[in-house]
Amino acid sequence: GNSVTQMEGPVTLSEEAFLTINCTYTATGYPSLFWYVQYPGEGLQLLLKATKADDKGSNKGFEATYRKETTSFHLEKGSVQVSDSAVYFCAPLNNDYKLSFGAGTTVTVRA
Amino acid sequence: SQTIHQWPATLVQPVGSPLSLECTVEGTSNPNLYWYRQAAGRGLQLLFYSVGIGQISSEVPQNLSASRPQDRQFILSSKKLLLSDSGFYLCACMNGWDNSPLHFGNGTRLTVT
Repeated sequence: GNSVTQMEGPVTLSEEAFLTINCTYTATGYPSLFWYVQYPGEGLQLLLKATKADDKGSNKGFEATYRKETTSFHLEKGSVQVSDSAVYFCAPLNNDYKLSFGAGTTVTVRA
Repeated sequence: SQTIHQWPATLVQPVGSPLSLECTVEGTSNPNLYWYRQAAGRGLQLLFYSVGIGQISSEVPQNLSASRPQDRQFILSSKKLLLSDSGFYLCACMNGWDNSPLHFGNGTRLTVT
């Protein structure tokens, strides 16, 4: 199946700072790629997705571009808020319809 | 869109006691269903997945089992809990065979004492 490597955390930022969380994957073919977010004490929510090369997923000010040549799907946000504090997971979709999750990156945004 | 119900939200159980966590899905039919576990400070580990009633695939050997008695019901069980079974258990659902995302329930925090 696929595997994913995520930037290790924790990441601590000040409000309005720029956030980047690196994600690279190994896969056969071209899997759909997802970013999920987990707020404290909650389950995972889909943040954004991209289904083919050069697609850009975006939501809530976050963006990630499907880079086939570098097998990457880095998450970015230009100006973070305290409410963005959460754990972020990168996940490629396997051919057998199972998601492979990275270890997660904990992001803390300070006012 | 589908809604996933998981209960209970939190559970404290002694070592050696049985376990039953239930997950039900609304708003879809014939979904793929998944049980994940998230240990403290760690990523998600896929425990079981099911593509239909009575069809269960186990990803890792462990002290747990899963059953799918109905199309939209997925149950995680154990006959005797271990301390290492503590964690955050998440039920998830995938609708269809395209690039649809995985939808998660709110999870059950299990503490084995």
